[in-house]
Amino acid sequence: EADIYQTPRYLVIGTGKKITLECSQTMGHDKMYWYQQDPGMELHLIHYSYGVNSTEKGDLSSESTVSRIRTEHFPLTLESARPSHTSQYLCASSERGPLMGEAFFGQGTRLTVV
Amino acid sequence: KNQVEQSPQSLIILEGKNCTLQCNYTVSPFSNLRWYKQDTGRGPVSLTIMTFSENTKSNGRYTATLDADTKQSSLHITASQLSDSASYICVVSDRGSTLGRLYFGRGTQLTVWP
Repeated sequence: EADIYQTPRYLVIGTGKKITLECSQTMGHDKMYWYQQDPGMELHLIHYSYGVNSTEKGDLSSESTVSRIRTEHFPLTLESARPSHTSQYLCASSERGPLMGEAFFGQGTRLTVV
Repeated sequence: KNQVEQSPQSLIILEGKNCTLQCNYTVSPFSNLRWYKQDTGRGPVSLTIMTFSENTKSNGRYTATLDADTKQSSLHITASQLSDSASYICVVSDRGSTLGRLYFGRGTQLTVWP
């Protein structure tokens, strides 16, 4: 069982609200990732981090932002949620190294913006 | 363009039967290929990970094959169980960057009927 946790599991909020999706891992992994997944579709990388104070945007443009102040914590924030942000958000982590090792995923946060 | 294509998109089988899922990829330079199982509303869980030199790898009732020359992989499930109902995702990693980017297929939705 992977030690990577996401909260909340489900979230329904109104348009314009600010939200933060939490992701924490206890494996000491340097690399962490946020993916967005719509039903029946593939995962798309929206943010990643090599380590503390390192964050980069992924392949899919996203209005969300991330921070990496601690190795174990990689929160994702939406300043003003919109219905188009409705999706499942998956956090993942992997150990350091030039070739990506095993990636462990959290259980995801299902976000609905009404 | 790096891509991962899976087939079939969906599959229904009876409990106890075997099935094979296919994955074709164009990711280059190739690092490794993974098969993940994703239950509805949850994060993906790794089944197997295969590098360039590996042709087959088993994990219980799951057997993955890899043909790096034709850039094809398959996941064979034997003696299916109801709990096998899930989406099976093929993920290919490149080694063209320090990140070791992951490329996701859209998954095959497997349903096992009693």
